[in-house]
Amino acid sequence: NAGVTQTPKFRILKIGQSMTLQCTQDMNHNYMYWYRQDPGMGLKLIYYSVGAGITDKGEVPNGYNVSRSTTEDFPLRLELAAPSQTSVYFCASRERDRQSSEQYFGPGTRLTVT
Amino acid sequence: QKEVEQDPGPLSVPEGAIVSLNCTYSNSAFQYFMWYRQYSRKGPELLMYTYSSGNKEDGRFTAQVDKSSKYISLFIRDSQPSDSATYLCAMSAYNNNDMRFGAGTRLTVKP
Repeated sequence: NAGVTQTPKFRILKIGQSMTLQCTQDMNHNYMYWYRQDPGMGLKLIYYSVGAGITDKGEVPNGYNVSRSTTEDFPLRLELAAPSQTSVYFCASRERDRQSSEQYFGPGTRLTVT
Repeated sequence: QKEVEQDPGPLSVPEGAIVSLNCTYSNSAFQYFMWYRQYSRKGPELLMYTYSSGNKEDGRFTAQVDKSSKYISLFIRDSQPSDSATYLCAMSAYNNNDMRFGAGTRLTVKP
């Protein structure tokens, strides 16, 4: 049981390039999330999904896209990368239908856009 | 004004000390309150979860919520070097799909 896995661990992008951050969970969780964490700013929710085929915007969705074709996978797409997207990105998942259920976080992807 | 305010520290204490970490918030709709611990270069992990006002204790950790003052606290008793990490408060109004995090407080416990 690996939990939440993210790839890649690190990436350097040039301005204007695009990439997909991968996230997979093996806990059969319906809810999945993408956050970004900037120094001194806490985590901010980018997008989330309550099940396969259903996604919704979070607090800071501009410049990102997501899809959820399976329960396990929730990739985050960056189009036309900008320096403002330099951050650490965390994927998380949690059980469905329990308000108190814990969000399990992946180890993060460190992205630098130059 | 930020929705959630948390002093980033850093905070340094000797081993065995009692640590007090705090957050204030402005949104009175928040009713779910959490504390996450994040070790360096790792993802956050849930430490404490509290619904509405009151206290919750788990081993050396106690979480307090005062909704009337919009203030939450985490106390760590008999702190250990292994408690050295960043502690993030988080809160949600409806369903944990709307969580707001504090900036995190960096704690170092010195042997």
